[in-house]
This record gives sequence, C-alpha cells and structure tokens, in this order.
Amino acid sequence: EVQLVESGGGLVQPGRSLKLSCAASGFTFSNYYMAWVRQAPKKGLEWVATISTSGSRTYYPDSVKGRFTISRDNAKSSLYLQMNSLKSEDTATYYCARERDPPFAYWGQGTLVTVSS
Amino acid sequence: DIQMTQSPSFLSASVGDRVTINCKASQNINRYLNWYQQKLGEAPKLLIYNANSLQTGIPSRFSGSGSGTDFTLTISSLQPEDVATYFCLQHNSWPRTFGGGTKLELK
Repeated sequence: EVQLVESGGGLVQPGRSLKLSCAASGFTFSNYYMAWVRQAPKKGLEWVATISTSGSRTYYPDSVKGRFTISRDNAKSSLYLQMNSLKSEDTATYYCARERDPPFAYWGQGTLVTVSS
Repeated sequence: DIQMTQSPSFLSASVGDRVTINCKASQNINRYLNWYQQKLGEAPKLLIYNANSLQTGIPSRFSGSGSGTDFTLTISSLQPEDVATYFCLQHNSWPRTFGGGTKLELK
C-alpha cells in the first residue's frame, strides 16, 4: 500500500525558514517523480514543486521560485521541501504527492505550516 | 500559465440526481486532466485521471469526459457520501494548475 507521511510543519515567523519532510513507503520511491501541493485555510489547491526521479530536474511556480527548494533522498525514500523567506501567504497545509502513474493519485495527510509573528 | 475555470462554484442537489461539474482550460491540455474529491479535514482523493480513467476503488457512478479545453465530471446518481468539494487539476504543462473548486451539498 502506498503511504506518504509528511512532517515538519509548525508555527514560524515571517522571513524565517522551515524544512518539511515526506516519508514514502509501499512503492519504489526512486522510480517516481514527486511533488508538493499546498492548500491555504479554506482555499483551493496550489502546486508548489516537482522533482524528477534522480533529483536533477526541479519545477516551481513563480510564487515560490527562488524561496523554496525541493529535494529527495532515494536511499531513505524521503522527499523534502526547504522553505526560506517565508511569508504570511505561505500559510497552508502542505501535501506530498506522487506525480506519476497515475498522475497525482497518492497524497499524504498533510502538514500545517503557519507563518505568523 | 494555464488557467482552469471550474463551474459551478456551488451546487445543491438531491439524492439520486445526476450532477455535472465542468472545468475549462485556457489552452489545450489534451486529456491531462484529473478530478478530485475532498471532504472536510481530509486530503484530496483522486476520482478520475487523464480525463476519463476511473481510479481504482472509485464507484462507477463517477465518470469523466472531455479533451482539449473542456472537461466534465459526472455523478450519475448522487449519494449522501458524495457531499464534498471537487477540484480539477491539469498536468499537461508547467505550472500544474487547479480549478477553483465546486462545493456540492445536498438539497
């Protein structure tokens, strides 16, 4: 059974950094593109980042480009999201998702990030 | 960026009704369109991928259609457990973009 478990969320001040983790199991992690998607409270969904199988290719929307970095450790079946220069508008539940086969079929339960002073 | 315009934003229907939700893409996305159901406090659940493929374990009352720019999610006979918010997602190009959501309630 595919499982994705996020961790690392919490309360952080504006301008500070936070690193999220996602532990994957139930599939061969190194064979799949992986992604982060977020959802602000009572709002819609926003794709945040995607990383290729080897980690050599990464993709971001303009809203986080230059501030967020997606990475992975295939030996540990883990996905990460380093978030720098956090803003109040980054407050959201962050989901880790498997990007392929089927596309965006599997999601974690999410971890809440609150950016506030 | 490809904009996904979802309609309606809110829908009220009765048990047994046929329900349709639409997503319109601002550019051709071929068939690279997913539909999700999200209940309060839960992660989104994939219902349909690549426009018309039913995800494993999803009831057959859910179906998807469309290609290019216009897509439809249909619930053939609404059940009480279908009360949720529904989203579409295009994964044809970067950035991936979601529709704004349709909140479905029982009349």
